[in-house]
Amino acid sequence: DAGVTQSPTHLIKTRGQHVTLRCSPISGHKSVSWYQQVLGQGPQFIFQYYEKEERGRGNFPDRFSARQFPNYSSELNVNALLLGDSALYLCASSLDGYNEQFFGPGTRLTVL
Amino acid sequence: GIQVEQSPPDLILQEGANSTLRCNFSDSVNNLQWFHQNPWGQLINLFYIPSGTKQNGRLSATTVATERYSLLYISSSQTTDSGVYFCAVDPFMDSNYQLIWGAGTKLIIKP
Repeated sequence: DAGVTQSPTHLIKTRGQHVTLRCSPISGHKSVSWYQQVLGQGPQFIFQYYEKEERGRGNFPDRFSARQFPNYSSELNVNALLLGDSALYLCASSLDGYNEQFFGPGTRLTVL
Repeated sequence: GIQVEQSPPDLILQEGANSTLRCNFSDSVNNLQWFHQNPWGQLINLFYIPSGTKQNGRLSATTVATERYSLLYISSSQTTDSGVYFCAVDPFMDSNYQLIWGAGTKLIIKP
């Protein structure tokens, strides 16, 4: 079975731009969570989606938004990029959000 | 909210050595996971262990939920074991459906 996939692998943007990151969960998993990891720290929770509904939100500004599609894939959108948004963005997949979470390879975003 | 503390923060060992990594948490949890993050950033699942003991090859883990800690044992270390080891918990209360992460233990295995 394929694992969690994310695209793109790397991305370079400038301040003020918008970015869309994509994630496909493991087949059969209905929940997707998004995390931000800055260098030297553990991941920080951004969102969890289950059955296309937002079920949890971390302490991130409204510039961050996400959605989940009928096939359970997900997009993370970040508007008005700041230098501080430079980080590794990780997507996690689980059966229903309560069980073991499996992570994709991440998208490394650099904001210049 | 729940606090997750990992120790030691850094560990440097020779190949073949054994190590014990610790994760303390301040409140009850629904589940606990151990991850290995490789130098490319990939988080690899090691154990899903809310309680009890599990073993997988040279790695084993024990969680004592009543005393709020978990231990990860690595035996006969190899250079490929290098990386950052994270403990993450799903709190019993006020979860918000997120995992709460420790700061990690950075492990370097020298040949």
